[in-house]
Amino acid sequence: QQQVRQSPQSLTVWEGETAILNCSYENSAFDYFPWYQQFPGEGPALLIAIRSVSDKKEDGRFTIFFNKREKKLSLHITDSQPGDSATYFCAARLTGANTGKLTFGHGTILRVHP
Amino acid sequence: AQTIHQWPVAEIKAVGSPLSLGCTIKGKSSPNLYWYWQATGGTLQQLFYSITVGQVESVVQLNLSASRPKDDQFILSTEKLLLSHSGFYLCAGGQDTQYFGPGTRLLVL
Repeated sequence: QQQVRQSPQSLTVWEGETAILNCSYENSAFDYFPWYQQFPGEGPALLIAIRSVSDKKEDGRFTIFFNKREKKLSLHITDSQPGDSATYFCAARLTGANTGKLTFGHGTILRVHP
Repeated sequence: AQTIHQWPVAEIKAVGSPLSLGCTIKGKSSPNLYWYWQATGGTLQQLFYSITVGQVESVVQLNLSASRPKDDQFILSTEKLLLSHSGFYLCAGGQDTQYFGPGTRLLVL
């Protein structure tokens, strides 16, 4: 059972455009949602994260929009740059999980053409 | 700032041979530590987690084992490698926010 789903599987945008990456989940007990950026051959790097008490989190060109009722969130990358080309993973953590267990989606491959 | 070091960077091993991968974390005391496995082009699958020295919990069964001999060290091992063990192994530290190491690429032939 895939508890965290991401779409699209891959996305291509032109430099300067806004890329929108989607994530949905099934378990309403998830309360923390980090997004990771991964370049080929490297470990994932934390990009931005949001808690379920918020509906928006912004950090520079990266913004998470969160809809708790619909169990959906999206990552918006404005003014996309070729250096943003990477795989982006949405993850989710259960409320009160002191183990910190994260459930990951399958990722979205983003390509930004110059 | 927290830093994670993994070793080796890459390994090519024969089926049936033993394996030991290591991870150390600096800059944070008593961190939660995790091992993940990632197939090429795939998602991240959590294998083990440890909240404290000497305690390790298994998340999935993949004929692997893990140990935490020191507060800042996490070891992943097996006595007999399978072809299916090939992939990218990642160590992570933290609780709320997990930070990943650079990974170890393993190819089993």
